[in-house]
Order: sequence, then structure tokens, then C-alpha cells
Amino acid sequence: SQQGEEDPQALSIQEGENATMNCSYKTSINNLQWYRQNSGRGLVHLILIRSNEREKHSGRLRVTLDTSKKSSSLLITASRAADTASYFCATDGDDKIIFGKGTRLHILP
Amino acid sequence: SAVISQKPSRDICQRGTSLTIQCQVDSQVTMMFWYRQQPGQSLTLIATANQGSEATYESGFVIDKFPISRPNLTFSTLTVSNMSPEDSSIYLCSVVGWWGQETQYFGPGTRLLVL
Repeated sequence: SQQGEEDPQALSIQEGENATMNCSYKTSINNLQWYRQNSGRGLVHLILIRSNEREKHSGRLRVTLDTSKKSSSLLITASRAADTASYFCATDGDDKIIFGKGTRLHILP
Repeated sequence: SAVISQKPSRDICQRGTSLTIQCQVDSQVTMMFWYRQQPGQSLTLIATANQGSEATYESGFVIDKFPISRPNLTFSTLTVSNMSPEDSSIYLCSVVGWWGQETQYFGPGTRLLVL
């Protein structure tokens, strides 16, 4: 069964704006990860946040985790055309990583 | 991290035939996984490829349909057998290395179209 559920399913923003995607999950986790997938290619690992962390940064990426609400958000600041991709959250469970359905992000020129 | 390659990158196959997908890693890894991603969908884990023993399949996937080999710590194959149009998907290999089980690295995927 799928653990993570991203919201929104699709998002279109102007280049330069910030993009925020959310992920909700159902059971306790040790960590949560965000991945990017460009146009049906392999997934690229973006960032991992542990259950005892609340916020993490990596370049233009900011991830938050609220374990009480079982939710995480991914913020991409100053978006670029190259950020157009699908973004997936993934949670650990039963010795394997379970992926959400993803958010399709489209950056408009 | 690891550099992962998959062959073929894409293929078009006739129903009833079989296709073997190869996954090669540039370094030894502890775990290798095979995922399927149907059009517009998320990733679904097919199985964990175990070195020297039978793969561990997820619910809904069976060895007769998706035989998997993993002869060593850097290589695995997934065969999609007796294909039907419903098998049209992207098949992705991923690995976990000695860096820990928290982060998986993915191959570029194999895009399969079954006619």
C-alpha cells in the first residue's frame, strides 16, 4: 500500500516564483525523502529528513517535517525551467521505501 | 553514491514475447530493487533482488511473470515474461549501498511498450 500522498497532483508556476509541494503519510517513519523525476527518466534523490528533524535545506530546496501531522513539505525557491519535473516523497517502512503518487511541477517561462 | 546503467533504455515488443532488462552498477551494493512505473503513475516495487538466492516479490508480482537474477553484487536482470499491453511501463532498477539503507539510487529506467 502507498504510504505517501503528494498534494497538489499538478502545479504550474511562473519562473522565478516559489513552488511548494506537500506530502502526507499514514504510519510512523524513520525518515522521509524527496525525489525528482524528469520526463519518465530515473529518479534523482534530492534530500532526506529524519524523523527527529523539523527542517532541512539544500541549495534552493527547503524541506519541513511535522511528525505530529504526518506531513512534509518541499519548497523550491526561485524556480527555474529546469525544475520542471515530477516530485515524489518516499517514506521508509518494512525495510523498503514506499513512494507517493507525485506532484507534476511545470515552470512557465 | 553509485552510477547505474540499464539496458535496453527502451524497447517495443510484441505480446507473448519476453524481454530481459539488465542493471549494472559501477560498485558493489548491498541491495538491488526492481520497480515498475506505469504511465503517469508512481513507482511500485516489484521485488528485491537477492544475491545468490531467489528474489523477494511484493504482493501481486510472481516469479513466473518477472524472473529476476542477481549473480553478484553489481549486476541484476529482470525478465518480463509473456508480455501483454498492460506490461507497458518504465522499469527501474535501484540500489542501496554501503552508505546505508536510507537512500536509494536509481538507474535511468527502461521504457517498454508492448503492442
